[in-house]
Amino acid sequence: GQNIDQPTEMTATEGAIVQINCTYQTSGFNGLFWYQQHAGEAPTFLSYNVLDGLEEKGRFSSFLSRSKGYSYLLLKELQMKDSASYLCAVGSYNTDKLIFGTGTRLQVFP
Amino acid sequence: EAGVTQFPSHSVIEKGQTVTLRCDPISGHDNLYWYRRVMGKEIKFLLHFVKESKQDESGMPNNRFLAERTGGTYSTLKVQPAELEDSGVYFCASSHGLAGADEQFFGPGTRLTVL
Repeated sequence: GQNIDQPTEMTATEGAIVQINCTYQTSGFNGLFWYQQHAGEAPTFLSYNVLDGLEEKGRFSSFLSRSKGYSYLLLKELQMKDSASYLCAVGSYNTDKLIFGTGTRLQVFP
Repeated sequence: EAGVTQFPSHSVIEKGQTVTLRCDPISGHDNLYWYRRVMGKEIKFLLHFVKESKQDESGMPNNRFLAERTGGTYSTLKVQPAELEDSGVYFCASSHGLAGADEQFFGPGTRLTVL
């Protein structure tokens, strides 16, 4: 079967660094996506990892270890606007759909 | 470039009624996906169109749900008759390539409430 696990909620302070973890079990793995979703809005693409290692994009970085079925999203220099849900999703060769985790709701405090 | 749009943004109907949701994908995107998020749960796949053809409809809950994409442009998702458990947010997404290799762009969703 396919399973995605990530923490339900996290809190952090403005200016800090936060790491959101995601573990997955899937067949025919073909990439891991991170999306950001503000309440009532569309999920927006943050990153895509298909090879092991770290992908850096501004204040956001995403890491993947395929052998461990593990990814994390790293957010640096947190801003209030980073308060949102962060969705981990896996793509598969077997299907064309994304398999989502339940999302991690991040609250950034002043 | 316009993003994925969905209509309506909200819909409140009574059990037994019919509702039709519409999705306009990004122009030129052959792939169109429908997803649903019920309260407290993860976003779940419903079905996938490639142009006007249904590529995968394994996530459709039952035969009360009917999706169409005539002409390979916009898509509609009809729920008839609606039940209480159909309440949730219905997202549409589109992409140029396949999910494993290409970003899916999501619409803002339609929040459906069945009373």
